[in-house]
Amino acid sequence: DQQVKQNSPSLSVQEGRISILNCDYTNSMFDYFLWYKKYPAEGPTFLISISSIKDKNEDGRFTVFLNKSAKHLSLHIVPSQPGDSAVYFCAASAGNNRLAFGKGNQVVVIP
Amino acid sequence: DTGVSQNPRHKITKRGQNVTFRCDPISEHNRLYWYRQTLGQGPEFLTYFQNEAQLEKSRLLSDRFSAERPKGSFSTLEIQRTEQGDSAMYLCASSSDPVMKQYFGPGTRLTVT
Repeated sequence: DQQVKQNSPSLSVQEGRISILNCDYTNSMFDYFLWYKKYPAEGPTFLISISSIKDKNEDGRFTVFLNKSAKHLSLHIVPSQPGDSAVYFCAASAGNNRLAFGKGNQVVVIP
Repeated sequence: DTGVSQNPRHKITKRGQNVTFRCDPISEHNRLYWYRQTLGQGPEFLTYFQNEAQLEKSRLLSDRFSAERPKGSFSTLEIQRTEQGDSAMYLCASSSDPVMKQYFGPGTRLTVT
């Protein structure tokens, strides 16, 4: 069963605008959430994370929002840049170290 | 920080052959993970080591799969009697206590013909 879900598999956005990626989860035991970016033929690269005790974490152009009651998190990228074109994965952990990943969102930033 | 390295990067093998992959984690990281990723899916957890102890295995890890981390440094993942369904990207990641952030290597792409 897919415990972490990413709908809208692809997203196209104009350079300079905001990219918003969404992620839903079903396991209420998840207490740590991460976003990874992946280029073709490379491994996932860590972007940003958030603990379940927070509802927002910001790092430069990247902000992650967590809504525990809705079991929903989102990643905001602003402003979007052409180098942000990649596949983005949402991942979650229940404190047991294994990460559960969503299927990913393809983001294309149009110059 | 030289990052997580994996070898080989690509492996093509015939069905029924055995293959072995190697992962070298970031040197000070005591935790090491193996994941598998197939087309259109996110990485799926296979197994996890803390130092040399294998602490958790997914049900995805059939009897044909074995992983070791003999000295708590590098790790190997062996697949015996490969099947076409084993074709995937095998990813290794490492982390250090108490940080839960996992750093991934570039992966080994396995193709079973």
